[in-house]
Amino acid sequence: GENVEQHPSTLSVQEGDSAVIKCTYSDSASNYFPWYKQELGKRPQLIIDIRSNVGEKKDQRIAVTLNKTAKHFSLHITETQPEDSAVYFCAASRRANAGKSTFGDGTTLTVKP
Amino acid sequence: NAGVTQTPKFRVLKTGQSMTLLCAQDMNHEYMYWYRQDPGMGLRLIHYSVGEGTTAKGEVPDGYNVSRLKKQNFLLGLESAAPSQTSVYFCASTKTMAGGLYNEQFFGPGTRLTVL
Repeated sequence: GENVEQHPSTLSVQEGDSAVIKCTYSDSASNYFPWYKQELGKRPQLIIDIRSNVGEKKDQRIAVTLNKTAKHFSLHITETQPEDSAVYFCAASRRANAGKSTFGDGTTLTVKP
Repeated sequence: NAGVTQTPKFRVLKTGQSMTLLCAQDMNHEYMYWYRQDPGMGLRLIHYSVGEGTTAKGEVPDGYNVSRLKKQNFLLGLESAAPSQTSVYFCASTKTMAGGLYNEQFFGPGTRLTVL
């Protein structure tokens, strides 16, 4: 089955700096890569996603890049703010897999004011 | 729209007791999932359903059973709870798209279960 590895497990940055979280996946047939943000005590919520026919996607301060050849994708957050502090999960799923996603173990991001 | 809701929010069980967690969604989504979340381990899929009356095993199904009698509801049962089942349980749903593509998963607020 699919295996998703996420790094780093914890990340601390100063407000205004950039943060990068990286994930690798094992199943070359995976074609959908979402990123979820989970604030303390809350449910995971989608912040951005990318499909395998696209190499990069941006949404304001958040961007995701995908390298299908190397089987890795990354989340980039620019101009970080304290409210970006949360746990971030990457995931991978493929077309013929009942929508099941395999999640990484999460990255705890702390943005220091 | 309430989205995805879960009942109860918290529960404490003694070893060997049974309970059922209820997940409901009002978005007419076909697919529903049950995950457990343990510290440092992300979300692991317990069981899932691709439609009313169908269920399938996920990554960690042992000790759990599920049922989907109605499209909007997905129940997770623990027949004989064990301390190893102490966790936060999340339900999620998603809709299918043309061509078999998938959208984001919408999560419920979670149920925090402690088994003593």
